[in-house]
Amino acid sequence: AQSVTQLGSHVSVSEGALVLLRCNYSSSVPPYLFWYVQYPNQGLQLLLKYTTGATLVKGINGFEAEFKKSETSFHLTKPSAHMSDAAEYFCAVSDPGYSGGGADGLTFGKGTHLIIQP
Amino acid sequence: DTAVSQTPKYLVTQMGNDKSIKCEQNLGHDTMYWYKQDSKKFLKIMFSYNNKELIINETVPNRFSPKSPDKAHLNLHINSLELGDSAVYFCASSQGSRRPQETQYFGPGTRLLVL
Repeated sequence: AQSVTQLGSHVSVSEGALVLLRCNYSSSVPPYLFWYVQYPNQGLQLLLKYTTGATLVKGINGFEAEFKKSETSFHLTKPSAHMSDAAEYFCAVSDPGYSGGGADGLTFGKGTHLIIQP
Repeated sequence: DTAVSQTPKYLVTQMGNDKSIKCEQNLGHDTMYWYKQDSKKFLKIMFSYNNKELIINETVPNRFSPKSPDKAHLNLHINSLELGDSAVYFCASSQGSRRPQETQYFGPGTRLLVL
C-alpha cells in the first residue's frame, strides 16, 4: 500500500522568500508523483508531476520539485513567494504497477496550507 | 469552457434522504473518478470508472453508487444520507484507461451538508 506524508500542515513564509513544501512517500515501487494546488472553494489544479526522465520537474507558477529516490521524497519549491501562492498544496502518488486493492486513482497527503506574510 | 463540471455546487439535505451529484467532462477522457474531501481537507479516492470497469474503494459504503450514462458523465448517488457524509465531493477525469501517469483534472467540487 502507498502512503504520502507532508511535513507541516501549515507553512508560513514572507513574500519574496523561498517556499519549501515537503513530501515523502512510502511505496513498494517508485510511484508516479504529483503536486496539486487548491485555492479556497475551488477544485484541484496540477502544479507538476514526475513520471519518468529528469528528476527535477518544473511546473506552473514558478514551482519545481525534485524526485529523490534514495530519500523517497518529492519536495516542492519556489524561489520567491508571491501573495497569490497562498493556498492548500497536496502531494499525491499513483501506483505504476497496479498492485491491486482499492480504486485506481491518486493517494493524497494531508495537505499543507501555505500562508504568505506581506 | 469548463473541462470538468459538477452540479450542484452546494447541497444541503436531511439525514435519511437520497441525493445525486452530477459530473460531466468535455475532455474526451476515458476514466472518471470520485473523491471525498473531509472537514480536515483530506482527500480520498472513492471510485474510478471507465467504460469497461468500475473499481470501488473497499472502504466506501454501499449506500454510494456511481452511475455512468455515457463516457462523459459519472454521477454519484447517495442513499440514506448520514451526518458523516458531509464533505466536499470532487469529480475528476483522466485520459486513457489504467494509465496512472496521466494528469487528473478536477471539477470545482460539491459541498454536501447533511443535517
